[in-house]
Amino acid sequence: GAGVSQSPSNKVTEKGKDVELRCDPISGHTALYWYRQSLGQGLEFLIYFQGNSAPDKSGLPSDRFSAERTGGSVSTLTIQRTQQEDSAVYLCASSSWGDTQYFGPGTRLTVL
Amino acid sequence: GENVEQHPSTLSVQEGDSAVIKCTYSDSASNYFPWYKQELGKRPQLIIDIRSNVGEKKDQRIAVTLNKTAKHFSLHITETQPEDSAVYFCAACYNYGQNFVFGPGTRLSVLP
Repeated sequence: GAGVSQSPSNKVTEKGKDVELRCDPISGHTALYWYRQSLGQGLEFLIYFQGNSAPDKSGLPSDRFSAERTGGSVSTLTIQRTQQEDSAVYLCASSSWGDTQYFGPGTRLTVL
Repeated sequence: GENVEQHPSTLSVQEGDSAVIKCTYSDSASNYFPWYKQELGKRPQLIIDIRSNVGEKKDQRIAVTLNKTAKHFSLHITETQPEDSAVYFCAACYNYGQNFVFGPGTRLSVLP
């Protein structure tokens, strides 16, 4: 079946602009995660959605970052007033309740 | 909250030798421990996982062991091949996925 998809695959933006990154999880997966991965670094947790529960936003680095998950499926990560330090690969993952996470291909964000 | 440590951060082995990567976790409530492999420029992919009711699991050249008392788990790769070269991440999860914490990663290089 279809895996996790993300769009766009690459995004180049200018400092100060807003960007939206999209994640389509595997159908039926109730949990959705966003991570940030800088070059050569580990996985930095950003936010977690589980069903209809309030999201765990504890990993968001600043109030410029926000995320939504509409209808328990597609999620959008929004970064406002982008900074150069926001440049990274943003990975989305989905899972069934308490099970393996399956990652999307990521969105490579470059802030000039 | 949960904290996952991973050692070593880098590991070089000769082709055909074994590689062992160790992780420790802090929260005794964690009950699911997956391992992910991330090749350069690609997404993390699950290679093996273990649940807290099992002490060891094996899949061909890969095995994972879990010591719940000591709160550590290890990845064992035997007969290493150049294609095993990648970054490996361990993770610990409890509360049915709500707290899914990754280790910082181990860069494995298999030398021909």
